[in-house]
Amino acid sequence: DAKTTQPTSMDCAEGRAANLPCNHSTISGNEYVYWYRQIHSQGPQYIIHGLKNNETNEMASLIITEDRKSSTLILPHATLRDTAVYYCIVRPRIWGGTSYGKLTFGQGTILTVHP
Amino acid sequence: DARVTQTPRHKVTEMGQEVTMRCQPILGHNTVFWYRQTMMQGLELLAYFRNRAPLDDSGMPKDRFSAEMPDATLATLKIQPSEPRDSAVYFCASGLTGQGETQYFGPGTRLLVL
Repeated sequence: DAKTTQPTSMDCAEGRAANLPCNHSTISGNEYVYWYRQIHSQGPQYIIHGLKNNETNEMASLIITEDRKSSTLILPHATLRDTAVYYCIVRPRIWGGTSYGKLTFGQGTILTVHP
Repeated sequence: DARVTQTPRHKVTEMGQEVTMRCQPILGHNTVFWYRQTMMQGLELLAYFRNRAPLDDSGMPKDRFSAEMPDATLATLKIQPSEPRDSAVYFCASGLTGQGETQYFGPGTRLLVL
């Protein structure tokens, strides 16, 4: 699986947009970019994923660069409840094989939203 | 609101005892994953199943850990005998195969082995 690089920590003011970057320069054409977050003492929570197009859902937007070597997760109006560890993960797209489905979590970015 | 459920939520046991953790995947999901999280190692994949068949358990210590899916609504992770280094939070996740499969995590079982 492609390796990802994220900043260790970031701060954001409540109500402002939080932009979390992720580098995945060795990503291959058959790998998705996934974002999960983990709020303290809870299980990881799926946020969004994409292949090459930008994606948006009720939680966030995902911007993937044209060369796919990096992406940015955007929380448009951060709240205190968005304080969490955010994980950027790349994983195989192709169905089948033993590596399919695996999520390899790195250290993630600790996002702190302050009043 | 469909969720993955895990029992027990907390478990304290003594070294050498058997520990069984249970997971009920979201109805209709056909993949189940077991992860372990510690401060030192972060989140690690232990095992995963597709259509109840084990596909990969290379992350699991084979001598003391075992994972099974007796039926589509129940996955179990057993540790026998347990050791203090097994203290961790164990998460179960489920998903549905297809391109872009998403995994949905349960709340975890917090295990402390004394």
